[in-house]
Amino acid sequence: GQQVMQIPQYQHVQEGEDFTTYCNSSTTLSNIQWYKQRPGGHPVFLIQLVKSGEVKKQKRLTFQFGEAKKNSSLHITATQTTDVGTYFCAVMDSNYQLIWGAGTKLIIKP
Amino acid sequence: EPEVTQTPSHQVTQMGQEVILRCVPISNHLYFYWYRQILGQKVEFLVSFYNNEISEKSEIFDDQFSVERPDGSNFTLKIRSTKLEDSAMYFCASSADRVWDTIYFGEGSWLTVV
Repeated sequence: GQQVMQIPQYQHVQEGEDFTTYCNSSTTLSNIQWYKQRPGGHPVFLIQLVKSGEVKKQKRLTFQFGEAKKNSSLHITATQTTDVGTYFCAVMDSNYQLIWGAGTKLIIKP
Repeated sequence: EPEVTQTPSHQVTQMGQEVILRCVPISNHLYFYWYRQILGQKVEFLVSFYNNEISEKSEIFDDQFSVERPDGSNFTLKIRSTKLEDSAMYFCASSADRVWDTIYFGEGSWLTVV
């Protein structure tokens, strides 16, 4: 079935540094969604990408969908403590099931 | 902002017991979902529900599980004869459209099977 690989599992950054998480698939994706889950919280939808090469920005967050629609990235510029959490990508398979990546935990070093 | 509400927030149950987790989806949404997340792991799709019937379900969603929309507002997940490995956070979610609309998640019901 559909799988999506997400790396890295963890990223430790100093506040103010950038953060990036990547999702990859061996098959072409129809769309990809990104979610943020705060510690102890529930997933919150951030964005959906559907077009090849699409780039979308939300303030300090930049989302990209690869030209081949097999990979995607989320980049956060100048991280803040409020960015702490786990960022998940998720793709909808042909059965309309949302298949999730393993998540990348953003940890801000004290 | 509209929200999905779930009860209970935490339930402890003995192995072999039945559990019902309840959800109130956003009122004008048509698609309802249950997901689970074992502690520290990724979110896993269980089932989607539309027009009073299951539209898709994953391999996890076996005969032990069932869903129901008993009235116009509630959406329930029943787990029969719980096992230790059913311990997880169960998220209910809803959306207006299956493909293009935002999926809104509830805050989750944490199930501990002892």
